Amino acid sequence: VQLVQSGAEVKKAGESLKISCKGSGYTFSNYWITWVRQMPGKGLEWMGVIFPRDSDIKYSPTFQGQVTFSGDKSISVAYLQWTSLKASDTAIYYCARLRREGDGVDVWGQGTTVTVSS
Amino acid sequence: NFMLTQPHSVSESPGKTVTISCTGSSGSIASNYVQWYQQRPGSAPTTLIYEDNHRPSGVPDRFSGSTDSSSNSASLTISGLKTEDEADYYCQSYDTNNHWVFGGGTKLTVL
Repeated sequence: VQLVQSGAEVKKAGESLKISCKGSGYTFSNYWITWVRQMPGKGLEWMGVIFPRDSDIKYSPTFQGQVTFSGDKSISVAYLQWTSLKASDTAIYYCARLRREGDGVDVWGQGTTVTVSS
Repeated sequence: NFMLTQPHSVSESPGKTVTISCTGSSGSIASNYVQWYQQRPGSAPTTLIYEDNHRPSGVPDRFSGSTDSSSNSASLTISGLKTEDEADYYCQSYDTNNHWVFGGGTKLTVL
């Protein structure tokens, strides 16, 4: 069981971006995926969750309207996207699988570093 | 807003035992599960403890979790400290809307 995230990205402010998280070794649509942000030198911040089977999504109030989660269960991939990046979006983004809804993580992705220059 | 407060840093010698606290700002920490995550420098987090006191397979029994309703806190205890335990440790629970809340993280130094 693993989650493999897409590679590092370097973008300019105002550009759009979509990063991915591909699950393998399990039935992707049966487990919630959460996204977590870590800004440089800072702690972990919860962004929200998505259930790939029906795309049920819950956003953290902090990130509601700032990002969009989506998923394609046919290829076992979850996505995190921005329509207009800001320099403050510079961070490492982790996807992770939840044991079940309302529970903690049992599998973490390796993280995707996003660098946004102004 | 519900918050989890952790000490910024702790340090202890190899072979000793250290406890990291995680205190809820309101309500009852016992009414929701607490998880603990370890993050070594330059690496993704890993799960140490789930559902207050359960260890995933592969996590040594030197790591244990507990909760205390009287102090509205959870604790991570690491016994037989090793230099490889140097890392950041995060607690995580939920607010009244079932949104995740992370503690600010505790940097453990093993010296």
